[in-house]
Amino acid sequence: GAVVSQHPSWVICKSGTSVKIECRSLDFQATTMFWYRQFPKQSLMLMATSNEGSKATYEQGVEKDKFLINHASLTLSTLTVTSAHPEDSSFYICSAGESGDSNQPQHFGDGTRLSIL
Amino acid sequence: GENVEQHPSTLSVQEGDSAVIKCTYSDSASNYFPWYKQELGKRPQLIIDIRSNVGEKKDQRIAVTLNKTAKHFSLHITETQPEDSAVYFCAASGGSYIPTFGRGTSLIVHP
Repeated sequence: GAVVSQHPSWVICKSGTSVKIECRSLDFQATTMFWYRQFPKQSLMLMATSNEGSKATYEQGVEKDKFLINHASLTLSTLTVTSAHPEDSSFYICSAGESGDSNQPQHFGDGTRLSIL
Repeated sequence: GENVEQHPSTLSVQEGDSAVIKCTYSDSASNYFPWYKQELGKRPQLIIDIRSNVGEKKDQRIAVTLNKTAKHFSLHITETQPEDSAVYFCAASGGSYIPTFGRGTSLIVHP
């Protein structure tokens, strides 16, 4: 079945560091990928929609200069948390559907647990 | 936009009992309703889905029902087992190309 690979799985770094998270569709092309943030015991909060070859669409309240998204190819989207601070510590997870259509199952990456000291 | 409400937030059952999780949605244009299971620290995984042209779908111990008129859909798990313990998310999409998730239900199955 379709697989989405997300790296790294765990990051611990100092405040002020920028962190890049990669999301790859391994056996299908994804024109659209979604980035979520998940707090403990809470739901998936959509941060932004990543569109191949164009600018990402950010949800209200999400700072686009803080969370940089690049979707340069049909199989790779990256999320960079710039100048990360302790309040950015969270579980970040990406997803993609095989046809780029949301009316298909979403395949999720394993997630990245980000801890900012 | 779409709004998905999910209840209950926590569900505790004894092994062998049935569990039911309910979701409502607001956008009548939504036509795809998946359910995901997320174990602690892991990725959400699709367990069953239903489209608006179908009222019920079953896969072994798991079933989903859809009432388009009332705009609600439910997940039914029969003969629950401890390994069913996880967080379950419903979602709706179709009106918007962005899937909207419910807040999740933490299911605890006691041996």
